[in-house]
Amino acid sequence: DQQVKQNSPSLSVQEGRISILNCDYTNSMFDYFLWYKKYPAEGPTFLISISSIKDKNEDGRFTVFLNKSAKHLSLHIVPSQPGDSAVYFCAASRGFKTIFGAGTRLFVKA
Amino acid sequence: NAGVTQTPKFRVLKTGQSMTLLCAQDMNHEYMYWYRQDPGMGLRLIHYSVGEGTTAKGEVPDGYNVSRLKKQNFLLGLESAAPSQTSVYFCASSYLAGTANEQFFGPGTRLTVL
Repeated sequence: DQQVKQNSPSLSVQEGRISILNCDYTNSMFDYFLWYKKYPAEGPTFLISISSIKDKNEDGRFTVFLNKSAKHLSLHIVPSQPGDSAVYFCAASRGFKTIFGAGTRLFVKA
Repeated sequence: NAGVTQTPKFRVLKTGQSMTLLCAQDMNHEYMYWYRQDPGMGLRLIHYSVGEGTTAKGEVPDGYNVSRLKKQNFLLGLESAAPSQTSVYFCASSYLAGTANEQFFGPGTRLTVL
């Protein structure tokens, strides 16, 4: 039973354009939603989060949108840069427990 | 400030062998976690600890044991390794529940069980 789903295994985007990564969840009990970024041979690193009571959070080039009625969140990266090429994990947390999605591999072409 | 470190980085075991993975953090975090990452599966929680001397089972605990004798260390043990335990193992730590619970991850241990 996957509570957090990332249905796109990969995404390819041209440098300078917008990258949109999507995530769906099934359980309304989560307090926060997070995005992590992972480069090869490294551990995931925290990127941005959003509280379940918000619908948008922005940090520089990264914006996360939350649609609670659809149980859907998305990460927008504008403008995309080659250094953004990585695997992005969506995660949902309640207290100290976190559920991760399977990840989306983003390729940003120069 | 090293953050979260993991030892070893790589290991190859034969079926039935045992080993211990060591995780250390220098951020004085209360919460520590062990995850495994498999293709198409994301990160799955094996065991976690909410403080020194306490541990609890996560989503996929079978075949693993853990100990948290010191606040800064979290050990993951495999008593009798099986090929199904071939995976990349990540340790993580976090400071405070009640927030987004941002976790800090180690670089991972790639384990192959033959």
